[in-house]
Amino acid sequence: SQTIHQWPATLVQPVGSPLSLECTVEGTSNPNLYWYRQAAGRGLQLLFYSVGIGQISSEVPQNLSASRPQDRQFILSSKKLLLSDSGFYLCAWKKGLHEQFFGPGTRLTVL
Amino acid sequence: AQRVTQPEKLLSVFKGAPVELKCNYSYSGSPELFWYVQYSRQRLQLLLRHISRESIKGFTADLNKGETSFHLKKPFAQEEDSAMYYCALSTLESGYSTLTFGKGTMLLVSP
Repeated sequence: SQTIHQWPATLVQPVGSPLSLECTVEGTSNPNLYWYRQAAGRGLQLLFYSVGIGQISSEVPQNLSASRPQDRQFILSSKKLLLSDSGFYLCAWKKGLHEQFFGPGTRLTVL
Repeated sequence: AQRVTQPEKLLSVFKGAPVELKCNYSYSGSPELFWYVQYSRQRLQLLLRHISRESIKGFTADLNKGETSFHLKKPFAQEEDSAMYYCALSTLESGYSTLTFGKGTMLLVSP
């Protein structure tokens, strides 16, 4: 069966520091992968999606970037974190035409 | 551009009362709609999809294209239904599907 992992589970970083969040999927090949940010009162906002290695689409301009170095690995990064980057980050992969499955998430606090 | 609106941030009901979580969408194409649920300390997970016309945990949702709505209903709420509920619209852009989420409604069911 397919599983999706994210780490770390929680992260506290100072403003201006770099960021790297990792997402990996097991049990499937060539999945579509997604990064979302979940903020209180704002719901889930799609940040990036990827249909294959090295292919990244950005949905909103921001201080973050994404990379897909391997088929089942999706990384969310930042060179310099801002306070506004705090939030809960979710990775998801897509099965079939529409349904998405979500990882456990990473809680990021920027101080 | 597509949009999903969940007008209620919080819905509080007593056990056994009927529940209706509202969702309206805006999309020029043919919509594929979903309800996702996030229980406390659990992952975001799919509850039901309109195309399946199914009932999950007593919940149903009917797509009303005339009113562009996809309200989630349950005749008798249970305490274990307390969770965050997100309505989502799947759209195809340049051959790739993405999900647009509403801001979510927190359902609290009191004994």
